[in-house]
Amino acid sequence: RKEVEQDPGPFNVPEGATVAFNCTYSNSASQSFFWYRQDCRKEPKLLMSVYSSGNEDGRFTAQLNRASQYISLLIRDSKLSDSATYLCVVNMGTGNQFYFGTGTSLTVIP
Amino acid sequence: NAGVTQTPKFRVLKTGQSMTLLCAQDMNHEYMYWYRQDPGMGLRLIHYSVGEGTTAKGEVPDGYNVSRLKKQNFLLGLESAAPSQTSVYFCASSYSERQGQFFGPGTRLTVL
Repeated sequence: RKEVEQDPGPFNVPEGATVAFNCTYSNSASQSFFWYRQDCRKEPKLLMSVYSSGNEDGRFTAQLNRASQYISLLIRDSKLSDSATYLCVVNMGTGNQFYFGTGTSLTVIP
Repeated sequence: NAGVTQTPKFRVLKTGQSMTLLCAQDMNHEYMYWYRQDPGMGLRLIHYSVGEGTTAKGEVPDGYNVSRLKKQNFLLGLESAAPSQTSVYFCASSYSERQGQFFGPGTRLTVL
């Protein structure tokens, strides 16, 4: 089993739609969780951290479910500019090791 | 404020050649990381550093060495390049292990 798993997609959604991605992780002792976005042939950029109580940043909402060992990202009112690959990242708590998912591809269609 | 910069942006090596990738950050971050990204595999941690003069192995350290002589710089060395090291290399930095990382633009390396 991979340490972090994501549905690769692709997700093709119309503008204005709501879309959600999930990411599962293997180590119950994991401590820190993040969502990044990566545009084609660019570096990953931090989208948001994921806190135990859940957190929101504009149209983006992140949730953590420790019991089921997954994190989620919800995007409301999708924009064309949201088209990208979304990476989930988990610090397993074993030292300073971060594990990246392989990413979920999102395309927002006009 | 340049953030995280990487040099070079592109490089082609022949098998057996050596090279050094340079990463620099101007955010006074303690933590720095080197990753490689390959299709279908996500980013994998090669080595990391938790402060000047310290380095540690990540998930895929074999064939690479690193040095952190100055807080703002983190060097990744390939002593004898192999085709399996063809990849995109990203450097990143952060304030701590609990906070998100900021990435450089990447180095595309091809080993023939």
